[in-house]
Amino acid sequence: GAVVSQHPSRVICKSGTSVKIECRSLDFQATTMFWYRQFPKQSLMLMATSNEGSKATYEQGVEKDKFLINHASLTLSTLTVTSAHPEDSSFYICSARTNRYEQFFGPGTRLTVL
Amino acid sequence: QKEVEQDPGPLSVPEGAIVSLNCTYSNSAFQYFMWYRQYSRKGPELLMYTYSSGNKEDGRFTAQVDKSSKYISLFIRDSQPSDSATYLCAMTSDTGRRALTFGSGTRLQVQP
Repeated sequence: GAVVSQHPSRVICKSGTSVKIECRSLDFQATTMFWYRQFPKQSLMLMATSNEGSKATYEQGVEKDKFLINHASLTLSTLTVTSAHPEDSSFYICSARTNRYEQFFGPGTRLTVL
Repeated sequence: QKEVEQDPGPLSVPEGAIVSLNCTYSNSAFQYFMWYRQYSRKGPELLMYTYSSGNKEDGRFTAQVDKSSKYISLFIRDSQPSDSATYLCAMTSDTGRRALTFGSGTRLQVQP
């Protein structure tokens, strides 16, 4: 299957700092990428849909000013958690969609905010 | 009622058993069906992808979709301890944002 990378895999930061997570599709172009959040022993919660060259579409209850998404190219989307707080600690996973509607996921980023 | 229902398990089976995992859904617009395997603290890995109704086989895995009953299944033959993971069903339609709707995941444990 297609490969999606995510960086960093793990980040620990102080409360109030901003954290940027990168998601790259390595062997295909993705006009659409998705960002998910996952709490322990729970399923994935869709946060936003990232469209190349346009604004992201956020799910209800997700603060767009807190979770900034940029999809500057067909292979890269970034999620910036601004002014992170301990309640933002979670596992963040991105996925990239092919033109057949398959979604391939990155390995995830574990964010811990102290 | 959730759009996609999936028994969370855990499901415990002996090595070599045939495993059956299932999801039901309510949205008749869903056309694309996927099964993912997720190990702890890892991203989900796409196992099977099926369009519309029918069966698809890949090695030890068989995916079945019955759109008339709104029911999908994943069968794992000759299960191995390395199959122990959480299995997520996911589906989408070809309209709208086409984001995946996930089941809650079934945790599978294969005992050696």
